[in-house]
Amino acid sequence: GAVVSQHPSWVICKSGTSVKIECRSLDFQATTMFWYRQFPKQSLMLMATSNEGSKATYEQGVEKDKFLINHASLTLSTLTVTSAHPEDSSFYICSAREQTQETQYFGPGTRLLVL
Amino acid sequence: GENVEQHPSTLSVQEGDSAVIKCTYSDSASNYFPWYKQELGKGPQLIIDIRSNVGEKKDQRIAVTLNKTAKHFSLHITETQPEDSAVYFCAATIPRGFQKLVFGTGTRLLVSP
Repeated sequence: GAVVSQHPSWVICKSGTSVKIECRSLDFQATTMFWYRQFPKQSLMLMATSNEGSKATYEQGVEKDKFLINHASLTLSTLTVTSAHPEDSSFYICSAREQTQETQYFGPGTRLLVL
Repeated sequence: GENVEQHPSTLSVQEGDSAVIKCTYSDSASNYFPWYKQELGKGPQLIIDIRSNVGEKKDQRIAVTLNKTAKHFSLHITETQPEDSAVYFCAATIPRGFQKLVFGTGTRLLVSP
């Protein structure tokens, strides 16, 4: 149980294009989902928290117009990197949590490379 | 805000030895402490967690201890195997709002055959 999937697992795109990453909870309802960014050999950096049906809450320094988050259902959240640039290249990981539970289950991550 | 420190940053052991990773946290109200294992190119995988009303928890070769007074918790891996090689992250929950996790900086564990 508690499986979280991400799609795509990796993506290469040209500078200026937008990329959408999907995060799904496969066997539970995720009232809260989190989006993280991880640079090589570093820890996870929280970008934003999303609750189903409401606007995402972004961490300080994260551009909400750059990283659009939608949590339209209890099993799906999407992160769209708009007008991607090479500095947006990173490993993006989502996590999901059931209501009233503390445990976050992580997806396998999406590696983004912007050329 | 909550701050989590983790030591050591790298740990090399021989197969069969024990490995211990230590973390300290700053917010005394934190009440949930998970440990994650991350293999190269993959997402973090929960391996064990502990809540503040418990001092120790064990799952086969893995155990976690929590000292609330000192605000530190540790991961213990016994009889290490090469497949235990990975990066391990400790975390603490901010017990307010969205109950976000604050992660330590990670420990790279290398188990040599």
